Amino acid sequence: DAGVIQSPRHEVTEMGQEVTLRCKPISGHDYLFWYRQTMMRGLELLIYFNNNVPIDDSGMPEDRFSAKMPNASFSTLKIQPSEPRDSAVYFCASSLSSQAFFGQGTRLTVV
Amino acid sequence: AQSVAQPEDQVNVAEGNPLTVKCTYSVSGNPYLFWYVQYPNRGLQFLLKYITGDNLVKGSYGFEAEFNKSQTSFHLKKPSALVSDSALYFCAVSPSYGGSQGNLIFGKGTKLSVKP
Repeated sequence: DAGVIQSPRHEVTEMGQEVTLRCKPISGHDYLFWYRQTMMRGLELLIYFNNNVPIDDSGMPEDRFSAKMPNASFSTLKIQPSEPRDSAVYFCASSLSSQAFFGQGTRLTVV
Repeated sequence: AQSVAQPEDQVNVAEGNPLTVKCTYSVSGNPYLFWYVQYPNRGLQFLLKYITGDNLVKGSYGFEAEFNKSQTSFHLKKPSALVSDSALYFCAVSPSYGGSQGNLIFGKGTKLSVKP
């Protein structure tokens, strides 16, 4: 398996624009997590899914953030409208049992 | 509230010396404990985990960690540090709800710097 695949690797967008981050988990994994990493706040869990169902979205900072998992092999994290303070590295991770595997991350810059 | 603390922002070690990166946690029940490593511009890579059993857990790249329930600690150790070990290290805990993982709660990370 190629591991967790995230796209794009880098995204630069203007404030107010919609941003969509994509994630393909490892085949067969039943948990999917979205994390955000910043210097100030470290790694923050935004939301996680179990068997495509959102379990806990309490980490989603605002209504501007939304996440979906339409099937077992794909998830999106959308920010609309984006703001400069959303600039961060966003990681997707998937797991089957007790070990999570992380993607390479998407570095988002909102100018 | 559930939390993970890594009290040191940075640890500096000379190559060949032993290293310790500290982690304490506050989680109810019997948590699963993890260490991950992050190299620059990369995602997190799994190092080792403690679920149950022997308190000393061995992982990748010669690292090991010791689970201490009374002190609620899970310190990462390596007998002899390498320059290539320089990276950001994260401790994480997952509440063990009926065997499922639940979410991972991460510490803020400790930057390890190994000098030649």
